[in-house]
Amino acid sequence: NAGVTQTPKFQVLKTGQSMTLQCAQDMNHNSMYWYRQDPGMGLRLIYYSASEGTTDKGEVPNGYNVSRLNKREFSLRLESAAPSQTSVYFCASSENGIQPQHFGDGTRLSIL
Amino acid sequence: RKEVEQDPGPFNVPEGATVAFNCTYSNSASQSFFWYRQDCRKEPKLLMSVYSSGNEDGRFTAQLNRASQYISLLIRDSKLSDSATYLCVGNTGGFKTIFGAGTRLFVKA
Repeated sequence: NAGVTQTPKFQVLKTGQSMTLQCAQDMNHNSMYWYRQDPGMGLRLIYYSASEGTTDKGEVPNGYNVSRLNKREFSLRLESAAPSQTSVYFCASSENGIQPQHFGDGTRLSIL
Repeated sequence: RKEVEQDPGPFNVPEGATVAFNCTYSNSASQSFFWYRQDCRKEPKLLMSVYSSGNEDGRFTAQLNRASQYISLLIRDSKLSDSATYLCVGNTGGFKTIFGAGTRLFVKA
């Protein structure tokens, strides 16, 4: 029972490069989320998808785009990576906006 | 003011101690609350939901005070394995879940 799976687990990019972080859940959850976590800042919501076919901005969406590919998959894209986007990225899913979220084990991204 | 605020700690306690964390929230429309545990360099994991009537799970007790807009987590008989960061979470049901920055706990032998 995988839960929430994120790929890759580690990535190093150069400034200006692009990449897509992948996330898939097998719990048949309706809602999916992308967060970033920086030291001393806690988790900050980047984008969320309340249900298949919808996406909305969270607290820190600038520099990111998302795609809810289907009910299982929610990807996060960095079009032109910047050093300020160096962080740990977590994907999460939940049945709806009130139920607790289940997290993947994160992607550690460094941008040089 | 942050929407969800926690004392960052760290809390350093001996094994067997009782420790309490508080978390305040500013949005009175917040509908659901949770405590998560996060180990170093790992993902947050749900510890327990927080209900208005209070709830208990073994050594852990969570309380919600809507009038004063805070939630609490009490850990009794602390174990070395309880050492972690504890995150409180509130959401309004509108999907914009707000996490506190976390409180670090170190339990010493």
